[in-house]
Amino acid sequence: NAGVTQTPKFRVLKTGQSMTLLCAQDMNHEYMYWYRQDPGMGLRLIHYSVGEGTTAKGEVPDGYNVSRLKKQNFLLGLESAAPSQTSVYFCASSPIQHLLNEQFFGPGTRLTVL
Amino acid sequence: ELKVEQNPLFLSMQEGKNYTIYCNYSTTSDRLYWYRQDPGKSLESLFVLLSNGAVKQEGRLMASLDTKARLSTLHITAAVHDLSATYFCAEHESQGQLTFGSGTQLTVLP
Repeated sequence: NAGVTQTPKFRVLKTGQSMTLLCAQDMNHEYMYWYRQDPGMGLRLIHYSVGEGTTAKGEVPDGYNVSRLKKQNFLLGLESAAPSQTSVYFCASSPIQHLLNEQFFGPGTRLTVL
Repeated sequence: ELKVEQNPLFLSMQEGKNYTIYCNYSTTSDRLYWYRQDPGKSLESLFVLLSNGAVKQEGRLMASLDTKARLSTLHITAAVHDLSATYFCAEHESQGQLTFGSGTQLTVLP
Protein backbone atom coordinates (compact mmCIF):
# COMPACT_ATOMS: atom_id res chain seq x y z
CA ASN A 1 0.00 0.00 0.00
CA ALA A 2 1.26 3.46 -0.91
CA GLY A 3 -0.84 5.08 1.85
CA VAL A 4 -1.47 8.76 1.16
CA THR A 5 0.29 10.30 -1.82
CA GLN A 6 0.37 13.90 -3.01
CA THR A 7 1.13 15.40 -6.41
CA PRO A 8 3.17 17.50 -7.04
CA LYS A 9 5.84 17.63 -4.33
CA PHE A 10 6.99 21.13 -5.21
CA ARG A 11 5.51 23.95 -7.27
CA VAL A 12 6.27 27.60 -7.94
CA LEU A 13 3.44 29.81 -9.19
CA LYS A 14 3.13 33.43 -10.16
CA THR A 15 0.44 35.56 -8.57
CA GLY A 16 -2.86 34.99 -10.32
CA GLN A 17 -2.04 31.57 -11.72
CA SER A 18 -4.18 28.56 -10.93
CA MET A 19 -3.29 25.02 -10.00
CA THR A 20 -4.69 21.82 -8.55
CA LEU A 21 -3.11 19.65 -5.89
CA LEU A 22 -3.99 15.98 -5.98
CA CYS A 23 -4.26 13.73 -2.94
CA ALA A 24 -4.79 10.00 -3.35
CA GLN A 25 -5.21 7.27 -0.76
CA ASP A 26 -5.42 3.52 -1.22
CA MET A 27 -6.67 2.61 2.26
CA ASN A 28 -10.39 2.91 1.42
CA HIS A 29 -10.76 5.71 3.96
CA GLU A 30 -13.98 7.70 4.06
CA TYR A 31 -12.62 10.93 5.48
CA MET A 32 -10.05 13.15 3.79
CA TYR A 33 -8.58 16.50 4.80
CA TRP A 34 -6.45 19.31 3.43
CA TYR A 35 -4.23 21.28 5.82
CA ARG A 36 -1.69 24.03 5.35
CA GLN A 37 1.40 24.53 7.49
CA ASP A 38 3.15 27.86 7.80
CA PRO A 39 6.50 28.44 9.53
CA GLY A 40 6.26 28.24 13.31
CA MET A 41 2.65 27.16 13.23
CA GLY A 42 0.72 23.98 13.50
CA LEU A 43 -1.43 22.66 10.72
CA ARG A 44 -4.62 24.52 9.89
CA LEU A 45 -7.58 22.82 8.24
CA ILE A 46 -8.59 24.20 4.84
CA HIS A 47 -11.36 21.85 3.70
CA TYR A 48 -12.40 18.32 4.46
CA SER A 49 -14.65 15.58 3.13
CA VAL A 50 -16.59 12.91 4.99
CA GLY A 51 -17.33 10.89 1.87
CA GLU A 52 -17.42 10.80 -1.89
CA GLY A 53 -19.27 13.79 -3.29
CA THR A 54 -19.21 15.76 -0.02
CA THR A 55 -16.99 18.63 1.09
CA ALA A 56 -16.99 21.09 3.98
CA LYS A 57 -15.06 24.19 4.99
CA GLY A 58 -12.40 24.15 7.63
CA GLU A 59 -10.70 26.94 9.51
CA VAL A 60 -9.04 28.71 6.54
CA PRO A 61 -11.06 27.95 3.36
CA ASP A 62 -10.86 31.31 1.57
CA GLY A 63 -9.09 31.20 -1.79
CA TYR A 64 -9.37 27.41 -2.10
CA ASN A 65 -11.86 25.01 -3.60
CA VAL A 66 -12.02 21.23 -3.31
CA SER A 67 -13.67 18.28 -4.98
CA ARG A 68 -14.14 14.63 -4.00
CA LEU A 69 -15.48 12.95 -7.12
CA LYS A 70 -13.90 9.61 -6.28
CA LYS A 71 -13.52 8.14 -2.82
CA GLN A 72 -9.78 7.72 -3.17
CA ASN A 73 -9.02 11.23 -4.45
CA PHE A 74 -9.34 14.68 -2.91
CA LEU A 75 -8.38 17.67 -5.03
CA LEU A 76 -7.43 21.11 -3.75
CA GLY A 77 -7.66 23.99 -6.21
CA LEU A 78 -6.27 27.49 -6.16
CA GLU A 79 -8.11 29.58 -8.74
CA SER A 80 -5.96 32.72 -8.46
CA ALA A 81 -2.87 32.17 -6.37
CA ALA A 82 -1.68 34.84 -3.96
CA PRO A 83 1.65 35.15 -2.09
CA SER A 84 -0.24 34.52 1.16
CA GLN A 85 -0.88 30.99 -0.10
CA THR A 86 2.82 30.17 -0.02
CA SER A 87 2.86 27.23 2.36
CA VAL A 88 3.31 23.51 2.75
CA TYR A 89 0.10 21.63 2.07
CA PHE A 90 -0.64 18.30 3.70
CA CYS A 91 -3.39 15.89 2.85
CA ALA A 92 -4.64 13.32 5.35
CA SER A 93 -7.18 10.53 5.46
CA SER A 94 -8.89 8.53 8.19
CA PRO A 95 -11.32 5.63 8.36
CA ILE A 96 -14.95 6.07 9.34
CA GLN A 97 -16.28 4.92 12.71
CA HIS A 98 -12.93 3.75 13.90
CA LEU A 99 -12.19 4.02 17.60
CA LEU A 100 -8.87 5.69 17.08
CA ASN A 101 -9.95 7.80 14.08
CA GLU A 102 -6.28 8.29 13.43
CA GLN A 103 -5.31 10.50 10.50
CA PHE A 104 -2.62 9.37 8.09
CA PHE A 105 -0.70 12.13 6.39
CA GLY A 106 0.79 12.47 2.95
CA PRO A 107 4.34 13.71 2.32
CA GLY A 108 3.29 17.30 1.63
CA THR A 109 3.41 19.75 -1.28
CA ARG A 110 5.64 22.79 -0.96
CA LEU A 111 4.04 25.70 -2.85
CA THR A 112 5.65 29.06 -3.46
CA VAL A 113 3.65 31.92 -4.96
CA LEU A 114 5.75 34.77 -6.32
CA GLU B 1 -13.26 29.19 19.13
CA LEU B 2 -11.32 25.99 19.40
CA LYS B 3 -7.82 26.53 20.63
CA VAL B 4 -4.92 24.25 21.43
CA GLU B 5 -1.95 25.72 23.26
CA GLN B 6 1.37 24.02 23.65
CA ASN B 7 4.27 25.03 25.83
CA PRO B 8 7.06 25.47 25.58
CA LEU B 9 7.32 26.33 21.89
CA PHE B 10 11.07 25.78 21.88
CA LEU B 11 12.98 23.39 24.08
CA SER B 12 16.69 22.66 24.21
CA MET B 13 17.73 19.93 26.54
CA GLN B 14 20.81 17.94 27.33
CA GLU B 15 20.99 14.28 26.53
CA GLY B 16 19.96 12.16 29.49
CA LYS B 17 17.65 14.77 30.99
CA ASN B 18 13.90 14.58 31.51
CA TYR B 19 11.32 17.12 30.43
CA THR B 20 7.58 17.55 29.86
CA ILE B 21 5.68 19.26 27.06
CA TYR B 22 2.24 20.56 27.96
CA CYS B 23 -0.85 20.76 25.77
CA ASN B 24 -3.96 22.66 26.88
CA TYR B 25 -7.09 22.40 24.78
CA SER B 26 -10.37 24.23 24.84
CA THR B 27 -13.27 21.81 24.48
CA THR B 28 -14.61 18.71 26.14
CA SER B 29 -13.01 16.49 23.52
CA ASP B 30 -12.24 13.00 24.80
CA ARG B 31 -9.59 12.33 22.21
CA LEU B 32 -6.15 13.83 21.92
CA TYR B 33 -3.36 13.08 19.46
CA TRP B 34 0.39 13.53 19.50
CA TYR B 35 2.40 13.73 16.31
CA ARG B 36 6.07 14.06 15.53
CA GLN B 37 7.48 15.97 12.55
CA ASP B 38 11.10 15.90 11.41
CA PRO B 39 12.37 18.88 9.37
CA GLY B 40 11.01 18.82 5.84
CA LYS B 41 8.98 15.69 6.52
CA SER B 42 5.39 14.76 7.08
CA LEU B 43 3.66 14.04 10.39
CA GLU B 44 4.08 10.73 12.14
CA SER B 45 1.48 9.58 14.64
CA LEU B 46 2.86 8.92 18.12
CA PHE B 47 -0.09 8.50 20.43
CA VAL B 48 -3.87 8.52 20.44
CA LEU B 49 -5.31 9.15 23.90
CA LEU B 50 -8.94 8.14 24.13
CA SER B 51 -10.19 8.78 27.63
CA ASN B 52 -9.58 10.54 30.89
CA GLY B 53 -6.58 9.15 32.68
CA ALA B 54 -5.21 7.47 29.57
CA VAL B 55 -1.47 6.92 29.61
CA LYS B 56 0.58 5.56 26.73
CA GLN B 57 4.28 4.90 26.51
CA GLU B 58 6.61 4.20 23.63
CA GLY B 59 10.30 4.07 24.36
CA ARG B 60 11.40 7.29 26.05
CA LEU B 61 8.09 9.05 25.41
CA MET B 62 5.03 8.88 27.62
CA ALA B 63 1.77 10.72 26.99
CA SER B 64 -1.14 11.26 29.36
CA LEU B 65 -4.58 12.84 29.19
CA ASP B 66 -6.62 14.66 31.84
CA THR B 67 -9.95 15.57 30.24
CA LYS B 68 -11.20 17.37 33.34
CA ALA B 69 -8.25 19.74 33.27
CA ARG B 70 -8.22 19.72 29.44
CA LEU B 71 -4.54 18.95 29.63
CA SER B 72 -2.28 16.44 27.94
CA THR B 73 1.40 15.98 28.64
CA LEU B 74 4.24 14.40 26.69
CA HIS B 75 7.04 13.35 29.00
CA ILE B 76 10.52 12.69 27.70
CA THR B 77 12.74 10.43 29.77
CA ALA B 78 16.54 10.43 29.41
CA ALA B 79 16.49 12.31 26.12
CA VAL B 80 18.65 11.21 23.19
CA HIS B 81 19.57 13.12 20.05
CA ASP B 82 17.20 11.04 17.89
CA LEU B 83 14.26 12.62 19.70
CA SER B 84 15.07 16.03 18.20
CA ALA B 85 11.97 17.00 16.19
CA THR B 86 8.84 19.12 16.42
CA TYR B 87 6.01 17.64 18.46
CA PHE B 88 2.39 18.57 17.92
CA CYS B 89 -0.67 17.83 19.96
CA ALA B 90 -4.06 17.93 18.26
CA GLU B 91 -7.61 17.95 19.51
CA HIS B 92 -10.29 15.84 17.87
CA GLU B 93 -13.50 17.44 16.58
CA SER B 94 -16.90 16.04 15.74
CA GLN B 95 -16.26 14.99 12.15
CA GLY B 96 -12.73 13.83 12.65
CA GLN B 97 -11.07 17.16 12.05
CA LEU B 98 -8.03 17.95 14.10
CA THR B 99 -7.13 21.30 15.65
CA PHE B 100 -3.37 21.46 16.11
CA GLY B 101 -1.22 23.27 18.59
CA SER B 102 1.67 25.40 17.32
CA GLY B 103 4.18 22.68 18.03
CA THR B 104 7.16 22.28 20.35
CA GLN B 105 10.52 22.30 18.62
CA LEU B 106 12.75 20.00 20.64
CA THR B 107 16.52 20.01 20.29
CA VAL B 108 18.50 17.46 22.26
CA LEU B 109 22.09 18.55 22.74
CA PRO B 110 25.00 16.16 23.28
